Amino acid sequence: EVQLVESGGGLVQPGGSLRLSCAASGFTFSSYWMSWVRQAPGKGLEWVADIKQDGSEKYYVDSVRGRFTISRDNAKNSLYMQINSLRAEDTAVYYCAREVHLAGMGPAFDYWGQGTLVTVSS
Amino acid sequence: DIQMTQSPSSLSASVGDRVTITCRASQSISSNLNWYLQSPGKAPKLLIYAASILQSGVPSRFSGSGSGTDFTLTISSLQPEDFGTYYCQQRGTFGQGTKLEIK
Repeated sequence: EVQLVESGGGLVQPGGSLRLSCAASGFTFSSYWMSWVRQAPGKGLEWVADIKQDGSEKYYVDSVRGRFTISRDNAKNSLYMQINSLRAEDTAVYYCAREVHLAGMGPAFDYWGQGTLVTVSS
Repeated sequence: DIQMTQSPSSLSASVGDRVTITCRASQSISSNLNWYLQSPGKAPKLLIYAASILQSGVPSRFSGSGSGTDFTLTISSLQPEDFGTYYCQQRGTFGQGTKLEIK
């Protein structure tokens, strides 16, 4: 059974930092692109970043580029997101999600974790 | 950037109803369109990918169609577990969501 379990969220002051983790199991982690998707309270879904199987390619939404860093450790079956210079508008539930790609198609997110809440407030 | 617009933003329906939700892209995206259902307090669940392919384990009452800029998700006969918020997605962009409530 595929499982994705996020951790690392919490309350942080503006300008602070956090490191989110996502522990993967039940599939060959090193074979998949992985993403972080967030959802502000009462709002819709926003894709944040993704990373290629070997970590050689990383992409970010404009609003987090330069402040967030996605990484992975295939030996530990884990995905990470280092989030720095946090702003109030970064308050959200952060989900890790597995990507699947049909030939010639963009990604679909076929498995999601339960999410971890990041609250940015003084 | 390609924008994704869903309609309606919300709707009320009864168990057994046929429901259609629309997603429109600001430019052609071929069949690069996926649909998700997010039940309250839960993570999203993939329903349809590549516009019309039913994800494994998803009931056949769900179907998707369209290509280019206009797409639809149809639920042939609503069940109680189908209520929640539906999102379309193309690459790194999600639609704003359609909240489906019980009438």
